[in-house]
Amino acid sequence: DTEVTQTPKHLVMGMTNKKSLKCEQHMGHRAMYWYKQKAKKPPELMFVYSYEKLSINESVPSRFSPECPNSSLLNLHLHALQPEDSALYLCASSYTGGPDTQYFGPGTRLTVL
Amino acid sequence: AQKITQTQPGMFVQEKEAVTLDCTYDTSDPSYGLFWYKQPSSGEMIFLIYQGSYDQQNATEGRYSLNFQKARKSANLVISASQLGDSAMYFCAMRLNTGGFKTIFGAGTRLFVKA
Repeated sequence: DTEVTQTPKHLVMGMTNKKSLKCEQHMGHRAMYWYKQKAKKPPELMFVYSYEKLSINESVPSRFSPECPNSSLLNLHLHALQPEDSALYLCASSYTGGPDTQYFGPGTRLTVL
Repeated sequence: AQKITQTQPGMFVQEKEAVTLDCTYDTSDPSYGLFWYKQPSSGEMIFLIYQGSYDQQNATEGRYSLNFQKARKSANLVISASQLGDSAMYFCAMRLNTGGFKTIFGAGTRLFVKA
């Protein structure tokens, strides 16, 4: 099974709201990722967790706060977002880094009003 | 510099015909993986096929095959017998042995399959 699940599928929030995106995988992968994707562009890396520790933060604004409660779960907490943060947010996982295959979830379409 | 180039922003193909999506890459790392992903309008990035830099044979997965020409640094995706459901954005990507957790994506090719 190569499934990564994400909830919710769609999210509309105001600029003062607090919400969370969730991601789960049961493939025994040790690396989990958050990407942001704008229309017609490739995904942009935001965060990487390796063995439940934050390994990469691509200078993401603090209004995005990642969390990895255990090796199967990855959250992205959202607070005081801006309309320009509206995008598709993709979670991915891989066994390790290097040339290992990444598997992506279905994504959360976020709209910030 | 590590880079993936997809030169075809959009491609049209007739249903049941084969189509080739171009991808060239640049790296000095001898160990790397090359990937193709399909992204329909629903948004999910679907892994299609993988080619390792040391693999002698071209990768195949059902109707998908990867035409790997290492000397030319190209990794073209061939889709045989196109179906309407193949209409999507296709991304070529590369991960390096020395690249940590980074994935380098191309700009993508939008494929339209005509009935």
